Amino acid sequence: DGGITQSPKYLFRKEGQNVTLSCEQNLNHDAMYWYRQDPGQGLRLIYYSQIVNDFQKGDIAEGYSVSREKKESFPLTVTSAQKNPTAFYLCASSIPGFDNYGYTFGSGTRLTVV
Amino acid sequence: DAKTTQPNSMESNEEEPVHLPCNHSTISGTDYIHWYRQLPSQGPEYVIHGLTSNVNNRMASLAIAEDRKSSTLILHRATLRDAAVYYCILRAVARGEGMRFGAGTRLTVKP
Repeated sequence: DGGITQSPKYLFRKEGQNVTLSCEQNLNHDAMYWYRQDPGQGLRLIYYSQIVNDFQKGDIAEGYSVSREKKESFPLTVTSAQKNPTAFYLCASSIPGFDNYGYTFGSGTRLTVV
Repeated sequence: DAKTTQPNSMESNEEEPVHLPCNHSTISGTDYIHWYRQLPSQGPEYVIHGLTSNVNNRMASLAIAEDRKSSTLILHRATLRDAAVYYCILRAVARGEGMRFGAGTRLTVKP
């Protein structure tokens, strides 16, 4: 079955360390997105990519970096510059330019920085 | 994306219909109305979307006001598994940017 795989489900890191969250999709979608969710809040857009080798900052990109070298993969690195990295991170994909088409989300990675 | 306004929370009894409202008074003529829901500790799930006409699918119905300034997501018979946060989002045609989520409506279903 097609879908989005985020790994790992839970991730613990020490403060000051960079950490990379994985997002892989086999839906043949061109567009991919990263969101952050804090407890009791809605999702906030970190980065998005509409095509391979191109990506754009979302609303809260500071302290994060991404790459899009393959259509299937859109990894997110949480750097030590991110002041409050503990959160639930969600990856999604879609077909760009078709706004009557829904997003498919992964099941998320819960990052805890201690 | 244009802004939407939803109640913070709603309650329903199991097996009764639920009407989740969404106001979007600044909607433009080409904005699609999307609904997603998020169960605890999961990613959001697409529910339904529409442009002008009412829409039905296996999960829910979407009723869109004639002036498009509001819409209502209808769950015909709520079950305990429908307890989730429901997000109403407007999507501008072909903008290509990521969707912006508000806080949504937390639906509680009582047995």
